Amino acid sequence: DAKTTQPNSMESNEEEPVHLPCNHSTISGTDYIHWYRQLPSQGPEYVIHGLTSNVNNRMASLAIAEDRKSSTLILHRATLRDAAVYYCSTGNQFYFGTGTSLTVIP
Amino acid sequence: SQTIHQWPATLVQPVGSPLSLECTVEGTSNPNLYWYRQAAGRGLQLLFYSVGIGQISSEVPQNLSASRPQDRQFILSSKKLLLSDSGFYLCAWSPGQYSGNTIYFGEGSWLTVV
Repeated sequence: DAKTTQPNSMESNEEEPVHLPCNHSTISGTDYIHWYRQLPSQGPEYVIHGLTSNVNNRMASLAIAEDRKSSTLILHRATLRDAAVYYCSTGNQFYFGTGTSLTVIP
Repeated sequence: SQTIHQWPATLVQPVGSPLSLECTVEGTSNPNLYWYRQAAGRGLQLLFYSVGIGQISSEVPQNLSASRPQDRQFILSSKKLLLSDSGFYLCAWSPGQYSGNTIYFGEGSWLTVV
């Protein structure tokens, strides 16, 4: 199963867009890309997933590179409630890396 | 709708004591089940996963074990806890092994080994 690489931390100002990157260079052709986020002392929750095409939902957008070796989670307007650790995951067995800790500055 | 519950929510155990964390899923059948551990300030580490009753795959060799006595029940155990076993333990389930399936996490169990 493919493994992922993400920056340890990122900061964003409130109400500005945030782009969270993820590298998954060994992803196989049939593996979906999933994003989850984890608030303190809670289990992770689903954010978005996709296979090849960019995806949008009420929480975020997912931009997938043409070669599928990387993806970017886009939060269009960061709020204080978006401060969390964001994980990307690929493959069937749901391996998670260390994630990106997002700090939102008021 | 499907729900997942795990317990206890918190526990403090002495070194060398046994451990049992239980997880149950409702509202679905034949789920894939997972145990993760998260040390303080660290990422999620997959410990065990199960695709059916009695079928357990271990990802990390250690003094923990898992069992699945019923379709929607997953138990994490240890005969003798170590200090390094402290952490946040999460049970999770998914509808199957299809890569497009989403994984759903429980509320987590905080374990402190003293």
